Amino acid sequence: GAVVSQHPSRVICKSGTSVKIECRSLDFQATTMFWYRQFPKQSLMLMATSNEGSKATYEQGVEKDKFLINHASLTLSTLTVTSAHPEDSSFYICSGTDGYTFGSGTRLTVV
Amino acid sequence: DAKTTQPTSMDCAEGRAANLPCNHSTISGNEYVYWYRQIHSQGPQYIIHGLKNNETNEMASLIITEDRKSSTLILPHATLRDTAVYYCIVRVDSGWGTSGSRLTFGEGTQLTVNP
Repeated sequence: GAVVSQHPSRVICKSGTSVKIECRSLDFQATTMFWYRQFPKQSLMLMATSNEGSKATYEQGVEKDKFLINHASLTLSTLTVTSAHPEDSSFYICSGTDGYTFGSGTRLTVV
Repeated sequence: DAKTTQPTSMDCAEGRAANLPCNHSTISGNEYVYWYRQIHSQGPQYIIHGLKNNETNEMASLIITEDRKSSTLILPHATLRDTAVYYCIVRVDSGWGTSGSRLTFGEGTQLTVNP
């Protein structure tokens, strides 16, 4: 079946710095990928839809200038959390075009 | 996408069947029922989906009522590794590469399998 590789699995960064999270589709071409965020003891919330070769579509309340999404190829989408703050600490998860396949998630801790 | 209602938590003895209910009384005719699970600190894992017929795969069985307003996910022989949050999601299956593949997650059911 389809595989989505996400890394890093865990990252700790200082407040004010930027962090990049990568999501790769290993055996299929992903024209669209989805980025979710999950706070402790909460469900997944869709942040944005990443579209290959065009701008991402962000959900209401998600700052596009803070969460930069790049989807320059059919196999790679990246999410960059810019000027991270402690409230950005969360579990970030991507999923592939098919909606069936998810990455393993990235635990971001901002200190 | 239609809203779903699931119990917050359930317990099951190891080796027994786990039956997880989901209510989706506002489901539309073209919406499918999907089940995913999320083991702690991992990405969600697809389990099974169906439209109106009962479905079975190597992981589980999905029983959908005739009026399609509710469904039950059955894990026939639960193991400790099945402890996870189980999400029931209803959505239009637009197929590969379309925006219809976005998923709206509810709170899910925390299933705990006990030794």
